[in-house]
Amino acid sequence: EDKVVQSPLSLVVHEGDTVTLNCSYEVTNFRSLLWYKQEKKAPTFLFMLTSSGIEKKSGRLSSILDKKELFSILNITATQTGDSAVYLCAVVKGSQGNLIFGKGTKLSVKP
Amino acid sequence: ETGVTQTPRHLVMGMTNKKSLKCEQHLGHNAMYWYKQSAKKPLELMFVYSLEERVENNSVPSRFSPECPNSSHLFLHLHTLQPEDSALYLCASSQDWGNPYEQYFGPGTRLTVT
Repeated sequence: EDKVVQSPLSLVVHEGDTVTLNCSYEVTNFRSLLWYKQEKKAPTFLFMLTSSGIEKKSGRLSSILDKKELFSILNITATQTGDSAVYLCAVVKGSQGNLIFGKGTKLSVKP
Repeated sequence: ETGVTQTPRHLVMGMTNKKSLKCEQHLGHNAMYWYKQSAKKPLELMFVYSLEERVENNSVPSRFSPECPNSSHLFLHLHTLQPEDSALYLCASSQDWGNPYEQYFGPGTRLTVT
């Protein structure tokens, strides 16, 4: 059975801290891995990772994929209260391109 | 402003009611999706429509009935729901079905079944 596991499930940090969110997967016919940020309701797209070892970066956020060990990490440096959200990892599977989601990591950044 | 809108944003219904959720995308996309997000569970794909044809139905109970009259609109008709159906229902769209590019999500409908 396909599964995507995120850890930790929740995390509380203070502004300025650096955090690392983890996503491991066991999915047949893997195509790519996506990260989303869900603040209130609608998840918003952050990164798409297809190749191993190539870091994607956007401001203070970065992410990398390891297709051999079947995991990805999302790093956030110098966290701000606006980074508080649920971060979702999803694997794109098969020719249909359907998404298999993890449960998410709830990040709370305290002032 | 999001390119994907959903109405209503909140809905409370009894188990004997019939209601419909509406999704509209203004992005010119060809594929639309319904997801269910329950507390402490991953987002679950329910239905996929590509060019107005249903291409995926993930073993969803028949009390959920989707409808896609055109590529911009997607409905989810609800009848005789159960309390465990209470959840956030998210609609999404993407340029094409089968394309690994990002899906754009709507704000969701928070459904409570009493």
